[in-house]
Amino acid sequence: SQELEQSPQSLIVQEGKNLTINCTSSKTLYGLYWYKQKYGEGLIFLMMLQKGGEEKSHEKITAKLDEKKQQSSLHITASQPSHAGIYLCGAPTNAGGTSYGKLTFGQGTILTVHP
Amino acid sequence: DAGVIQSPRHEVTEMGQEVTLRCKPISGHNSLFWYRQTMMRGLELLIYFNNNVPIDDSGMPEDRFSAKMPNASFSTLKIQPSEPRDSAVYFCAVQGRNYGYTFGSGTRLTVV
Repeated sequence: SQELEQSPQSLIVQEGKNLTINCTSSKTLYGLYWYKQKYGEGLIFLMMLQKGGEEKSHEKITAKLDEKKQQSSLHITASQPSHAGIYLCGAPTNAGGTSYGKLTFGQGTILTVHP
Repeated sequence: DAGVIQSPRHEVTEMGQEVTLRCKPISGHNSLFWYRQTMMRGLELLIYFNNNVPIDDSGMPEDRFSAKMPNASFSTLKIQPSEPRDSAVYFCAVQGRNYGYTFGSGTRLTVV
């Protein structure tokens, strides 16, 4: 079965600093989702990457997909306390890609941003 | 569009009791998923439905767990009898074409 490993497991940064979270898959990636979760709440969809080399940005968050490395990275520029939470990556488990099917998730990265 | 609505938000029950978790998905989405989240195991897929039909229930821990989707607007996850190790947050989610899952706020289950 496919496994997703996220690194680091936790991260503490000072407000204004940049940071990167990585997600590495044990198998071929057919797409990659990034989610954010606040404690006690559901997951909020951030971005979906469908093709190797694809890069997407939303506000200060940028995600990239490196198919060859079976890896995705999430980069936050000039972090703010509002960025704090748990970031999870999820990947489709079949070659149907992002259009249909179940996702396997990484364990999550806990981000703390000190003001 | 009210999102994915789960009830109850919190449930505390005694070991051996039956527990029923409910999910009302966004209309127009064909796929519905039940996930369980714990500190030790993270997010685990329990079962998913497509067009109200169970497609993959390989993640259901054991026979104590069952899920139904009698129609496109309602699904239940039942645990009978419940055990302390079932304590977790249970999420319902739907998937729409060309974007990711939409998750409900979850049900925090505590079995004492």
